[in-house]
Amino acid sequence: SQTIHQWPATLVQPVGSPLSLECTVEGTSNPNLYWYRQAAGRGLQLLFYSVGIGQISSEVPQNLSASRPQDRQFILSSKKLLLSDSGFYLCAWSVRSGVKGQPQHFGDGTRLSIL
Amino acid sequence: ILNVEQSPQSLHVQEGDSTNFTCSFPSSNFYALHWYRWETAKSPEALFVMTLNGDEKKKGRISATLNTKEGYSYLYIKGSQPEDSATYLCASLSNFGNEKLTFGTGTRLTIIP
Repeated sequence: SQTIHQWPATLVQPVGSPLSLECTVEGTSNPNLYWYRQAAGRGLQLLFYSVGIGQISSEVPQNLSASRPQDRQFILSSKKLLLSDSGFYLCAWSVRSGVKGQPQHFGDGTRLSIL
Repeated sequence: ILNVEQSPQSLHVQEGDSTNFTCSFPSSNFYALHWYRWETAKSPEALFVMTLNGDEKKKGRISATLNTKEGYSYLYIKGSQPEDSATYLCASLSNFGNEKLTFGTGTRLTIIP
């Protein structure tokens, strides 16, 4: 069966520090991968998605970047965190097939607090 | 409607009662509507993916309907149980090329024993 691992679960970082959140998927190949953020009182907002190694689409201009160095690994990074980067970050995957709109499967999330 | 909107924002329901809530989404360029259940301390779990106007899907005591012409979907829970307590998210997918889901802010359901 497929599983998705996301870590760490919580993170407290000072403003201006770097960030690296990692997500890995097991039990499937060639998945679509996604990074979402939920800011306080708001819905899930798609930050990045990837349809293959090295292929990253950014949905909103921001202080963050994403990379996909391996097929089932998706990394969210920042060189210098801002206060506005605080939030709950979720990684997700879906089957890449000829049928669009497959259900997405989420990790447990990372609560990021910037001080 | 330009965004995905859900109502009510929160809901308290007595155990055993039935309930429903609404998701409104842009009807133009519609491709699919997703429903997810997000329990506290867990990750969101896919409930339904709906694409056809008039479609109705069911999973146990939970069902959903879809009206793509007017841009709304209802989620129904029959005979609510404490384990139904969760935030229910809907998300719309347009027929433009990518897989970008636009999420609503959710309906937070609390079942009162």
